[in-house]
Amino acid sequence: AQSVTQPDIHITVSEGASLELRCNYSYGATPYLFWYVQSPGQGLQLLLKYFSGDTLVQGIKGFEAEFKRSQSSFNLRKPSVHWSDAAEYFCAVARPITAGNKLTFGGGTRVLVKP
Amino acid sequence: EPEVTQTPSHQVTQMGQEVILRCVPISNHLYFYWYRQILGQKVEFLVSFYNNEISEKSEIFDDQFSVERPDGSNFTLKIRSTKLEDSAMYFCASTRGSGTDTQYFGPGTRLTVL
Repeated sequence: AQSVTQPDIHITVSEGASLELRCNYSYGATPYLFWYVQSPGQGLQLLLKYFSGDTLVQGIKGFEAEFKRSQSSFNLRKPSVHWSDAAEYFCAVARPITAGNKLTFGGGTRVLVKP
Repeated sequence: EPEVTQTPSHQVTQMGQEVILRCVPISNHLYFYWYRQILGQKVEFLVSFYNNEISEKSEIFDDQFSVERPDGSNFTLKIRSTKLEDSAMYFCASTRGSGTDTQYFGPGTRLTVL
């Protein structure tokens, strides 16, 4: 069965500083990989996704993530955070099938941004 | 931009009562999902639905749960006899269907069982 681990429950970062959120997965092959963000009172919004090809993927809001097969990781990064990036971030995986994938989520990392 | 909507935003019910959570998926989407998040825990998959039938369900989705697409636009989750442990945020999601398509999530319904 697939599983996702986000080792950091909370991260506090200063505005303008860089951010890296860690995600490790367990799956027999390379799954589809996703990062979602949840702002207070909002649903989950997709930041970026990886299926195959270039291991560095660009997403919305200036985020990027790098897939490292050898480490079973898919870490999310942003070079310079803005106060509006304060939210909870979820890494998720799905089986690489043709349709109807369910998502398996990590526990989430809550990001606080200091002025 | 089209979005998934859910009603109500917050539902309070007594233990043993039936509740129906409603979702309106994006109109040209074909796959529909329910997930839940108990406070402080992970977002968990409950069920996926395609072509008017359940395509996959988790072990959480027992006989107390059912889903329906009654009218071609709404997608509902019914809990027949709620338990305290059903208190959670319930998210609806939809996708056009391909495995690489984005799942779009609604804002969630917070269910509180007293």
